[in-house]
Amino acid sequence: GENVEQHPSTLSVQEGDSAVIKCTYSDSASNYFPWYKQELGKGPQLIIDIRSNVGEKKDQRIAVTLNKTAKHFSLHITETQPEDSAVYFCAALTGGFKTIFGAGTRLFVKA
Amino acid sequence: EPEVTQTPSHQVTQMGQEVILRCVPISNHLYFYWYRQILGQKVEFLVSFYNNEISEKSEIFDDQFSVERPDGSNFTLKIRSTKLEDSAMYFCASSRTRTGGSNQPQHFGDGTRLSIL
Repeated sequence: GENVEQHPSTLSVQEGDSAVIKCTYSDSASNYFPWYKQELGKGPQLIIDIRSNVGEKKDQRIAVTLNKTAKHFSLHITETQPEDSAVYFCAALTGGFKTIFGAGTRLFVKA
Repeated sequence: EPEVTQTPSHQVTQMGQEVILRCVPISNHLYFYWYRQILGQKVEFLVSFYNNEISEKSEIFDDQFSVERPDGSNFTLKIRSTKLEDSAMYFCASSRTRTGGSNQPQHFGDGTRLSIL
C-alpha cells in the first residue's frame, strides 16, 4: 500500500543553522506533498506544499524540493529560530482525499 | 483567519460505550476529513466526506465508526462501541475543494483526545 518514510526522527540544531528533513513516497501517482508543523497540544498546521509539476518552492525561510524520479521530497528550514521547535510531518496525496503522513521529525532548535 | 474547531478537547469514556466527537469545519469548505493519532505515532487517515457521503475511507474505519453532517455546520465522528485501542487524538480537517486535484489544502483542528478506560 501507500507509504511515506521520513528521516530523521529527531533533529537537533543550533539557532541560526539550517535543518533538512527528508521523505520518500511509494506511490508514483502521488501528486501533492504538504508539510505540516505540529506544536504541543495543537493540530497539524500546513507550512508549505508542493505539487508534482514543480521541482522547488520557497516561502521565506522554508523551502521544499521534489524529485519525482527518485520519489524524494525534502523540507529545508534556514536560519532556524527556537520557535521552529516542533514536530514536522511530510505527507503525500494521490489525487484523491487520503493523506498519507510520514512518522514525523521532532526538531529541537537550541538557543 | 477561519479555523476548524473541535469539541470536546478531551473525552473520557468507558470501554463499550458510544462516543461522538464533534467538529465545526471552516464555513465555505465542502470536503471534510477525520484522522487519528495514537500517542507517539503518525497521523492516520480515517475517512473523507463530501456531498453528504463518504468519498474514501481507510481500513481503520470499520463498522464501529460512522460520520455525519447533521446540519449545515457540524461534522461528527461516532464510535459505536469503544475499545481500549481507540484511545488516540482525533483530528478533524476540512478543505474547500478536493486537495489532491487543486490548490486548496486541508486545515486541521486542534483535536479531541479520546481516552478509553
